[in-house]
Parts: sequence; C-alpha cells; structure tokens
Amino acid sequence: QVQLQESGPGLVKPSQTLSLTCTVSGGSISSDIYYWNWIRQPAGKGLEWIGLIYTSGSTNYNPSLRSRVIISLDTSKNQFSLRLSSVTAADTAIYYCARDFSPWGQGTLVTVSS
Amino acid sequence: QTVVTQEPSLTVSPGGTVTLTCASSTGAVTSGYYPNWFQQKPGQVPRALIYSTSKKHSWTPARFSGSLLGGKAALTLSGVQPEDEAEYYCLLYSGGAWVFGGGTKLTVL
Repeated sequence: QVQLQESGPGLVKPSQTLSLTCTVSGGSISSDIYYWNWIRQPAGKGLEWIGLIYTSGSTNYNPSLRSRVIISLDTSKNQFSLRLSSVTAADTAIYYCARDFSPWGQGTLVTVSS
Repeated sequence: QTVVTQEPSLTVSPGGTVTLTCASSTGAVTSGYYPNWFQQKPGQVPRALIYSTSKKHSWTPARFSGSLLGGKAALTLSGVQPEDEAEYYCLLYSGGAWVFGGGTKLTVL
C-alpha cells in the first residue's frame, strides 16, 4: 500500500522560498503509470492544485503560480519536492502531496509569517 | 484560466437523493475533462471518490455515482447516509492544468 508523507519547515518568512518534500513508501516513484501532485488548502478554504511532475521529469503547473513554482523528482530517495518562491501570507496553507489524486499524504501546515 | 463552479451548499434528508454539479467556464464539461470528485470531512484529508467521470475507487460506496449531466459533471448520492455530510470538491482537467471547484457543503438533515 503506497503511502506519502510531506515534510519541511512549518514556518517561512515573507519573500523567502517554501521548500517541501514528499516521501513515497510502499511503491516506486519511478513507475511510469503515475504522476505526482502538490495541492494546498488555506484554512477554512477550498483546494488549489499547485502542479505535478511525471516520472520523465516533465511538469505542469497552475498558471497562477507558474512563475514561482518548481517541482522536482529524486528517484534515488523516492521523493519529490516543491519549491515556492517569494511567499506571502496568502501562501499559508496545508500542503498535500498525492500520487495522481489518490492517495494523498496527511498534509503539512506551512505558515508564512515574520 | 478556467474557473470551476459548484453549488456552495445543498441540503438533503437521510435516505434521499441529491446531485452535485460541476461546471466549467470554458463550456460544456466532457469526458476529456476527466472529472474527479473528492469528499472532505472536517479535519480530514480529502478522499477520492470518483475519477474519469464515473469510475469508482475500490472504497467508494455504491450509493455514489458520477456522470455528465446537462454540460456539467455530476455526483449523485442515492440513499444518503448521515455520514455523507461533508464538503465535496470536483476537479477538472482543462488547458493543460487541473482546476478544483470551490466545493459544495452537503448537509444531511
């Protein structure tokens, strides 16, 4: 049973870069039949798709975040990562990683504050 | 950028039937939008229910079904149970990106 777990700093200062990692267990991130997503949810609000990465390394991003987002893959560690630059308070949210759109990790809260 | 619209809230009686819909600002939703549906209860991780319009995951209760209806994606709950009270999100693929709807809060009363 594949499981995903997000990790990274829970507090990021405004204008800095948010960096999160998703560790995949119980399955290989190199499997060609899946893609790997990042999704976020501000407190009390809806879900927002951030972007995805295919095993090939190609990526698709939310157009509204594209200029600030990089998603990468580390097959040797069975992980994929999110970098979101120039963060503001509006980026405060629970960040989820997911394989396709199921299963999801438990989510990690990232707060942007000085 | 595509905007995906859902009913903000719906109320249904236990045992009843309710249909949630998901519209795209780009026009009629087709199978090519690969509609997905998720259920989220307070404090929990969203749970996938439906993918590719009508396909169910192994854990999806039989009372949930997905379809295309009147140019929208639809999620129908038949024989609603109290535990179905939750927020429901649809997800569409449009213009090379995935877009979530704003969610429908379903109350079972």
